[in-house]
Amino acid sequence: DVVMTQTPPSLSVAIGQSVSISCKSSQSLVYSDGKTYLHWLLQSSGRSPKRLIYQVSNLDSGVPDRFSGTGSQKDFTLKISRVEAKDLGVYYCAQTTHFPYTFGAGTKLELK
Amino acid sequence: EVQLVESGGGLVQPGRSLKLSCAASGFTFSNYYMAWVRQAPKKGLEWVATISTSGSRTYYPDSVKGRFTISRDNAKSSLYLQMNSLKSEDTATYYCAKPPFAYWGQGTLVTVSS
Repeated sequence: DVVMTQTPPSLSVAIGQSVSISCKSSQSLVYSDGKTYLHWLLQSSGRSPKRLIYQVSNLDSGVPDRFSGTGSQKDFTLKISRVEAKDLGVYYCAQTTHFPYTFGAGTKLELK
Repeated sequence: EVQLVESGGGLVQPGRSLKLSCAASGFTFSNYYMAWVRQAPKKGLEWVATISTSGSRTYYPDSVKGRFTISRDNAKSSLYLQMNSLKSEDTATYYCAKPPFAYWGQGTLVTVSS
């Protein structure tokens, strides 16, 4: 199984600050079609998860461009610029390149 | 607007069965693979099953293979998860999701306890 290692497990931030979350996979996430199926999700408190970014760097509709995703092969990063209160919650990376699909353990973004 | 509404959760004894349903709307259900994902209390996300558009192909992690069965009824735009031989470690909120995790339902809680 592909192990997704997310760091840090938690982040304390001030509003307006920028943060980065790392996600490293135990295998390359490049699929046979050449695409990389690495996604980023946010789960706000008490809510269902919501996808923010798909295939490494593509923002979902309605997601502000304060969010950005970069990376390749086995090493990926989510960056949030100018954090707002509504950005708080748990961020997960997820891969759908290989079965079984797997998630990172999550990074909890909290207010400092 | 895409909507996924799960139902069928509840309290069940270990070793018993339960069937979850997910009603989909707002998109052409038959055109998309569908999935179930679960989240144990205060824990992270775990993928549980995926089914192809026709239902001919299904995929499971080892943790549920042989006990859980995913199915679908495209005429009813509905997704199902039959869970047999339930264990306490299956206690979780179960989400229906449109892959790749683009849309999620509100979840339904399954508690396995005597």
